[in-house]
Amino acid sequence: ETGVTQTPRHLVMGMTNKKSLKCEQHLGHNAMYWYKQSAKKPLELMFVYNFKEQTENNSVPSRFSPECPNSSHLFLHLHTLQPEDSALYLCASSQAGRAAGANVLTFGAGSRLTVL
Amino acid sequence: GESVGLHLPTLSVQEGDNSIINCAYSNSASDYFIWYKQESGKGPQFIIDIRSNMDKRQGQRVTVLLNKTVKHLSLQIAATQPGDSAVYFCAENIGDMRFGAGTRLTVKP
Repeated sequence: ETGVTQTPRHLVMGMTNKKSLKCEQHLGHNAMYWYKQSAKKPLELMFVYNFKEQTENNSVPSRFSPECPNSSHLFLHLHTLQPEDSALYLCASSQAGRAAGANVLTFGAGSRLTVL
Repeated sequence: GESVGLHLPTLSVQEGDNSIINCAYSNSASDYFIWYKQESGKGPQFIIDIRSNMDKRQGQRVTVLLNKTVKHLSLQIAATQPGDSAVYFCAENIGDMRFGAGTRLTVKP
């Protein structure tokens, strides 16, 4: 266990379903992130939250909707996804700020999403 | 655009040999670099980091070398073990962390 817990670990959904991914961190960090990991592609940053405020949205389609109710929890709400959205979705946390060292990310094990 | 990339997608080494994994970056403003290891079924895990004012940093069995002149980063693993088999990513700090595509290291017994 890294201190970042993601649920569910595996999810299969149809294109018309609505589902959510959950992330919880027990490290006292103030920044949380969603990354998408597809085969043979670099990790893609999707969203960043610092102190519960969204500070970055990397042109992610609106069918992905993040929610950060507090600095320990992060959700990714999924709605009308496409098959190409199938990937491993990784949550991470870090100390807030952009200084070197503050950006060391602690990742969860990921949620493997398959869209049929 | 500027990006972080890895020279080789796969690397196979004999157990006990040393491994060298390379990474090229093109953003001269990057001031901090991290190597992550991702084992099957897990998220990436921090291995070692280096700031841009350093050329070399050593950890337990791992060494990171930074050559700012040619914008090159490498990870050296001494006496590679089967447990080192994983995908290795370099990442650069340009505000947020930007990751390379990854190199899969396979250790042959």
